[in-house]
Amino acid sequence: GAGVSQSPSNKVTEKGKDVELRCDPISGHTALYWYRQSLGQGLEFLIYFQGNSAPDKSGLPSDRFSAERTGGSVSTLTIQRTQQEDSAVYLCASSSDRGVYGYTFGSGTRLTVV
Amino acid sequence: AQSVAQPEDQVNVAEGNPLTVKCTYSVSGNPYLFWYVQYPNRGLQFLLKYITGDNLVKGSYGFEAEFNKSQTSFHLKKPSALVSDSALYFCAVRDMTGNNRLAFGKGNQVVVIP
Repeated sequence: GAGVSQSPSNKVTEKGKDVELRCDPISGHTALYWYRQSLGQGLEFLIYFQGNSAPDKSGLPSDRFSAERTGGSVSTLTIQRTQQEDSAVYLCASSSDRGVYGYTFGSGTRLTVV
Repeated sequence: AQSVAQPEDQVNVAEGNPLTVKCTYSVSGNPYLFWYVQYPNRGLQFLLKYITGDNLVKGSYGFEAEFNKSQTSFHLKKPSALVSDSALYFCAVRDMTGNNRLAFGKGNQVVVIP
């Protein structure tokens, strides 16, 4: 596609429910990144996919968080048993060159846990 | 690990005055440096980058940034601010080794006063 597409744009969920956030990167981009943006906290790295390599999961905050990338394209970030502290904007980005020249970001999913 | 510091939470400037947003970084070896801008309810948009070459980098919307290796800084500048420049600005750094992810600062809110 022309840009990085994320869905849904907004998600309100009840505490304890599972949520799935979707990212459709730019066609042909081999690298895909998930970041979390909390108010006043900047961008927190979550996970990084590069081609067929094992993902870098070092930023996932707990085992309730997981992500997969099917067929080297679309990625899904899953949060199980959501907590109020999970409320944030989840940003996806992709790049064609291991991020050497920067990323293209999607508009994000605003997650609110009530 | 690489890191970025953006020391000011908010920068207020009168329309038509010069705008500076400060950024210092820490990285092993030579850095790749980036500035992104985020408008309300939008993802991050790329402004400019420093990879190598001239220390003064020119980017989108009249912005420029100067790489200063001795001071480990990459301050963003615009000679004459516009009200439409009011947004959240993020500095990011990547090292040239195997770590392929960008580390972002916490962001600076810029408010341009008419």
